Amino acid sequence: NAGVTQTPKFQVLKTGQSMTLQCAQDMNHNSMYWYRQDPGMGLRLIYYSASEGTTDKGEVPNGYNVSRLNKREFSLRLESAAPSQTSVYFCASSEQGYTIYFGEGSWLTVV
Amino acid sequence: GENVEQHPSTLSVQEGDSAVIKCTYSDSASNYFPWYKQELGKGPQLIIDIRSNVGEKKDQRIAVTLNKTAKHFSLHITETQPEDSAVYFCAASTGETDKLIFGTGTRLQVFP
Repeated sequence: NAGVTQTPKFQVLKTGQSMTLQCAQDMNHNSMYWYRQDPGMGLRLIYYSASEGTTDKGEVPNGYNVSRLNKREFSLRLESAAPSQTSVYFCASSEQGYTIYFGEGSWLTVV
Repeated sequence: GENVEQHPSTLSVQEGDSAVIKCTYSDSASNYFPWYKQELGKGPQLIIDIRSNVGEKKDQRIAVTLNKTAKHFSLHITETQPEDSAVYFCAASTGETDKLIFGTGTRLQVFP
């Protein structure tokens, strides 16, 4: 019963490097999300995908790109990592009705 | 855009006492209000939610109340236990699609 699976769990990047966070869900949900969590800031929406082939910007999209590869997978890419992108990243999914299920998180440090 | 404020940021209670966390929202079109619990090193997990057509919902020791006129909703935990210690987040729908805006979280500590 995997739910939402995201990889990697931990990553250290140097400023300017690129990387992709992978996410997959096995609940046949249409909607998928990427959030970042910073101390004192709660969870902020980076990008959102309502269905396969569609993506929308959230509250803090700058510096990120996303790909909804198929119904199961939604990846987040940092093209040129910056220290301000040090954060915990959560992928999530939902079906209509708003109950959002989160993955376990990816801890990213940019030095 | 939608804004959700959550208070307090930290809350310490004795085991067996009650805990109350409050949130306010700004978008009058919001109609869905979930609460999430996040344990250390884990992703947030839904513990209870309420929709705008009801004023209160209970699930064992947890209850949520909603006042749409005042645009605020609260989480009530009774008979707290040490395993209730975690960070709790409220959220409100933006009134469009499935997006949620989260509060900044409350760290609850329950002391034995």
